[in-house]
Amino acid sequence: GDSVTQMEGPVTLSEEAFLTINCTYTATGYPSLFWYVQYPGEGLQLLLKATKADDKGSNKGFEATYRKETTSFHLEKGSVQVSDSAVYFCALRGTGTASKLTFGTGTRLQVTL
Amino acid sequence: NAGVMQNPRHLVRRRGQEARLRCSPMKGHSHVYWYRQLPEEGLKFMVYLQKENIIDESGMPKERFSAEFPKEGPSILRIQQVVRGDSAAYFCASSPGQGSNEKLFFGSGTQLSVL
Repeated sequence: GDSVTQMEGPVTLSEEAFLTINCTYTATGYPSLFWYVQYPGEGLQLLLKATKADDKGSNKGFEATYRKETTSFHLEKGSVQVSDSAVYFCALRGTGTASKLTFGTGTRLQVTL
Repeated sequence: NAGVMQNPRHLVRRRGQEARLRCSPMKGHSHVYWYRQLPEEGLKFMVYLQKENIIDESGMPKERFSAEFPKEGPSILRIQQVVRGDSAAYFCASSPGQGSNEKLFFGSGTQLSVL
C-alpha cells in the first residue's frame, strides 16, 4: 500500500538557518504530494503541494520538488523564523483515492533566536 | 466563513464508557473525513462520508467504532466501550466535493484521553 516516510524530529535550528525536512514515498501510479503544517493547538493547514513529477510547490518561503526518480518530496526553506516552529507532515494522495491522504509521522521543528 | 469545527477539544472518558466526537464541516462542504493521530505517529485515515452515506470505511476498526453524517447536523464519530488504546487526537477534515484535486480543510481536533 501507499506509505510516506519522513525524517524524525525534533529538528532544532537557529533563526535564519537553512531547513531541510526529508520525505520519501511509496505509491503506485502517480500520486499527488503535499506538505501540511500544524501549529500548536491548531489543525493541519496545507502548506504546499505538487501534482506531477518535477513540479515545485512553494508557499511562505517553503519549497518542495516532486522527484519521481528518487520518490522524494523534501521540504526546504532558506531562512527559518521563530514563527515557523510547528510540526510538518508530508502526505500523498494516491491515484483514484478521492481525497484520502496518507501521512508521514510528522517532524517537529523548533526555531530559536 | 467559519472553518471546520470540532468539539469537544478535549474529552476524558473512563474505560468502558462511550465517546462521541462531533465535526461540523465548512459551510458548503458535503464531504467529511476522519483521521486518528496516535502519540508519535502520523495521521491515519479512518472513514470518509458524504451526507447520509459512508463512502470508505477501510480505516475504521472493525468493532466499537462507528461514524455518521446525517442530512442535518454534524458528523459524529462514536467509540463504544473505550479502552486506553483509543487515547489519541481525532481530526476531522472536509471538502466541497469528491474530485482528486479537492483541498481538505482540517479542524483543530479532539484529544481523547481514556483513564
